[in-house]
Amino acid sequence: GAGVSQSPSNKVTEKGKDVELRCDPISGHTALYWYRQSLGQGLEFLIYFQGNSAPDKSGLPSDRFSAERTGGSVSTLTIQRTQQEDSAVYLCASSLYPDTATNEKLFFGSGTQLSVL
Amino acid sequence: RKEVEQDPGPFNVPEGATVAFNCTYSNSASQSFFWYRQDCRKEPKLLMSVYSSGNEDGRFTAQLNRASQYISLLIRDSKLSDSATYLCVVSRSGSARQLTFGSGTQLTVLP
Repeated sequence: GAGVSQSPSNKVTEKGKDVELRCDPISGHTALYWYRQSLGQGLEFLIYFQGNSAPDKSGLPSDRFSAERTGGSVSTLTIQRTQQEDSAVYLCASSLYPDTATNEKLFFGSGTQLSVL
Repeated sequence: RKEVEQDPGPFNVPEGATVAFNCTYSNSASQSFFWYRQDCRKEPKLLMSVYSSGNEDGRFTAQLNRASQYISLLIRDSKLSDSATYLCVVSRSGSARQLTFGSGTQLTVLP
């Protein structure tokens, strides 16, 4: 079946512009995560959605970052007034069960490479 | 000091060789441990969980040493298709929100 789908795969933008990144999780997966991977760095947790619960935004680096998940499915990560340090690969992941101590397997999308000039 | 540290490599080994990677973590309260594989410009994929008693999956063996706070991955009989970056991942619980990813060790298996 289809995996986690992200779009666009590449985005080049100018400093100060807003960008929207999209994630379409695996159908039926209730949990959705956004991560950021900067060059030579490990993945950094950004935000977590579980069903209709309030999202865990504890990983968002600044108030320029926000995310929505509509209808418990598709999610959009928005970065306002982009800065050069926002350049990274933004990865979305989903899992079938909520984020508990069950080591549930994450399925990642192939990411969006964001370049801020 | 990074919470999860890995030797970035690259490790260049001939086909058929045995290669081992180590990873150290700083948080002694860490509960869950994983190895992920990430191909160039691709998404990370779970390779295997790491259990206290050590575990094996085909040519891959993972070990955990809680006392010394390190995790290892051994790959026997390397294949060309094993070429990838291997990410060490640690969690303070089973929560994916609390996963800390290492920056990865790059492996290239040469023909």
